[in-house]
Amino acid sequence: DQQVKQNSPSLSVQEGRISILNCDYTNSMFDYFLWYKKYPAEGPTFLISISSIKDKNEDGRFTVFLNKSAKHLSLHIVPSQPGDSAVYFCAASADLRNNDMRFGAGTRLTVKP
Amino acid sequence: EAGVVQSPRYKIIEKKQPVAFWCNPISGHNTLYWYRQNLGQGPELLIRYENEEAVDDSQLPKDRFSAERLKGVDSTLKIQPAELGDSAVYLCASSSRDTSNEQFFGPGTRLTVL
Repeated sequence: DQQVKQNSPSLSVQEGRISILNCDYTNSMFDYFLWYKKYPAEGPTFLISISSIKDKNEDGRFTVFLNKSAKHLSLHIVPSQPGDSAVYFCAASADLRNNDMRFGAGTRLTVKP
Repeated sequence: EAGVVQSPRYKIIEKKQPVAFWCNPISGHNTLYWYRQNLGQGPELLIRYENEEAVDDSQLPKDRFSAERLKGVDSTLKIQPAELGDSAVYLCASSSRDTSNEQFFGPGTRLTVL
């Protein structure tokens, strides 16, 4: 069963504009949410996270928003840069140690110059 | 500091053959994970080690998959015999309490079973 869903397989935006990547989850026990970024032929790398006690976390150009009632989170990238082109995975965990992370299928972001 | 090392990076085998993947985690990381990533999907956990102990292998298909981390450092994941459906990227990750349990991933081994 897919407990974490990323319904958009791909997204294309112009350089300098905002990129919004969405993620939905079904398990109300999830307490911690993460975004990973993956370049081709590399492993995923951690980007940003948020715990369920917050509704927003910001790190430079990256902001994650969490709507617990809707079981929805989103990653905003402003402004988008060509180097942001990658696959972005949403992940969720009920364990603060992130031992049981469930990943979405990923969204491929392309930022055009 | 070296990251998570995996070898080989690519492997092509015929079905029914055995295959093994090796992972060396970041030095000092006591927790090691093996994931499988099918095409178009996110990583799925196969097994998690705390030092040399497998503490979560509930998703490991035990009829053909096995793993070991004998000295609590590097680890090997084996498939015997491989099936067509095993074609995937096998990712290794490691984490430490000192790094807030962030999981650091290796580049993966892409397995193709013909």
